This record gives sequence, C-alpha cells and structure tokens, in this order.
Amino acid sequence: NAGVTQTPKFQVLKTGQSMTLQCAQDMNHEYMSWYRQDPGMGLRLIHYSVGAGITDQGEVPNGYNVSRSTTEDFPLRLLSAAPSQTSVYFCATRGRGAGGEQYFGPGTRLTVT
Amino acid sequence: QKEVEQDPGPLSVPEGAIVSLNCTYSNSAFQYFMWYRQYSRKGPELLMYTYSSGNKEDGRFTAQVDKSSKYISLFIRDSQPSDSATYLCAMTTTVYTGANSKLTFGKGITLSVRP
Repeated sequence: NAGVTQTPKFQVLKTGQSMTLQCAQDMNHEYMSWYRQDPGMGLRLIHYSVGAGITDQGEVPNGYNVSRSTTEDFPLRLLSAAPSQTSVYFCATRGRGAGGEQYFGPGTRLTVT
Repeated sequence: QKEVEQDPGPLSVPEGAIVSLNCTYSNSAFQYFMWYRQYSRKGPELLMYTYSSGNKEDGRFTAQVDKSSKYISLFIRDSQPSDSATYLCAMTTTVYTGANSKLTFGKGITLSVRP
C-alpha cells in the first residue's frame, strides 16, 4: 500500500497563476483533509471532506478550492496564487472510528514569487 | 487564549537525557490526545495516542494525560540523536470522523539530541 501520496513534491508559481495539488490514498478512508504548515504557525486546516461529495472549510480556506468526487482523491486548487500561499501543504486521511489516527502525506513545498 | 498551547522551544539535550514535552488545552471537550513526530522535510507521523487520564508507555516513550488540569506530556527516556525532530501534540473531541472531528494541533516543538 502506498498510503497517502501527494504530487508534486515541489512547485514554484508566479503570482496569479493557478494550480492543483494532488492527493491520493489507498486506505479507503472516509475523512481527508488539507493543511498548510508555516514556521511559527503550526499546522492549519484548509479544507476537509468526510466522504465523497462532501467538503467543508477549515480555518484558512480563502484562496483554495477542493472537491471530492471519489473516496481516493482529494485535490486542492489554488485559484490565483499569492506570495502568502508560500507554504508546505500536507494532505491527511483518517478512517471511520479512528479518532486521532491520522495519516499524513509527504507534503508539497510551494513557493509563490 | 488558544485552544492548545505548546512550549515553543527549540529544545536541545545531550544524548541519554530524559525529555519532557508539554501541552495545555482549554477545551474540556477534548477526549483523545495524540503526539505526532515530524522529521525534517517529512509529513507528521503518529507516535502516541491515548484517550484516558493517566500514563501510556511505548518503549522509551510515555504519554501522560491529566484531564483535570488540561495538561498532556510526552516523556522520552534515554533520548537518542534519532529522536531529533519536531513533536506536535494534537487532540480531538470524538473518535468518529464526522464534521466536528477535526484535530487541533499545538504549534510543535523542535527537539535536538546532541551525541
């Protein structure tokens, strides 16, 4: 099992460009989420999904869109990249009844110039 | 007041030292408590998970929860250079993965164990 995979590993964007960060899991987990991690700020929840077709906002959703058409995939879209979105992005999944047993992907390092 | 507060660090200790990492929280509804370890340029990985007050031991690691004081700790005995990482505490109100089940994380503390 690959667990949680994220692509790309690194990305550099210019201000105003759009892109999609990919996240896929093969653990059949219902709950998927996106975080960004910045120095001194910790992990902040961007969006999450409790199942296919259901998404909701976290603490810092502005500038990001998500969709969940399948159990396996949960892409994060940056609509118009801004330097403030320079960060490391992590996708995570949890199974039903798993509580805090959340599995993180390896991360995508994004730089917006 | 933030829901979860974690000592900011960084923390540097000699090999073999006992390390104590701490978090306090304000939401009495938190019932499940976790410690995640994150190596440099990697994703966080679950290290310890507990839902009751008291101690839980796993090898050199002990997680302690005091719900009455809203305080959790992670102790590392005989610390090794391989323990050098960022440690994040996390907590949630429910074991179920519904709409209100998000994890609330501390900001993390970076530990360096010197050989």
